[in-house]
Amino acid sequence: GESVGLHLPTLSVQEGDNSIINCAYSNSASDYFIWYKQESGKGPQFIIDIRSNMDKRQGKRVTVLLNKTVKHLSLQIAATQPGDSAVYFCAEKDGANNLFFGTGTRLTVIP
Amino acid sequence: DVKVTQSSRYLVKRTGEKVFLECVQDMDHENMFWYRQDPGLGLRLIYFSYDVKMKEKGDIPEGYSVSREKKERFSLILESASTNQTSMYLCASRGRGYYGYTFGSGTRLTVV
Repeated sequence: GESVGLHLPTLSVQEGDNSIINCAYSNSASDYFIWYKQESGKGPQFIIDIRSNMDKRQGKRVTVLLNKTVKHLSLQIAATQPGDSAVYFCAEKDGANNLFFGTGTRLTVIP
Repeated sequence: DVKVTQSSRYLVKRTGEKVFLECVQDMDHENMFWYRQDPGLGLRLIYFSYDVKMKEKGDIPEGYSVSREKKERFSLILESASTNQTSMYLCASRGRGYYGYTFGSGTRLTVV
């Protein structure tokens, strides 16, 4: 079956540094991936998505990289700020067009 | 902006009570979802619905039921609440032709 997992459950970075959050997936047929950010006490919010026909997609201060060869997804956050402290989830679309979520990585930004 | 509204942020219920969690979305989305979120387990799908009066079981439907009488409203029902249903419950919706979900702010339910 599908599985979406994260290499590290927690990540601490210094303010101003770049952050990299990793995610592994097992279904090589997945064709769509998405990252969500969940701040304390709030629901997950969309950050960025990527289709499998792309290797990289950039947003404002965020970049998602997709390596289909090793079934790996990463979220890069440039110049990490205190407001980036949150739990980050990756998700992949299953055959029924529903999202299957990983367990999340907690990012803590150290001032 | 799409808005998904969950009626309660915090709820405390007694074991054995029937509990209703309400979710309303305002963008005419066809698809709606209920997840529970527990530390270390991530988001687990309870039930989802593709349209009015339609429902599908997710990964952990036991102890739950749902109702979708109107397109904008998706209710999660705990028939007889138990302490192991203490959790954060998240509702989400998705429009046709789009894969991303919009989530509500969540309802933190405590069953005592």
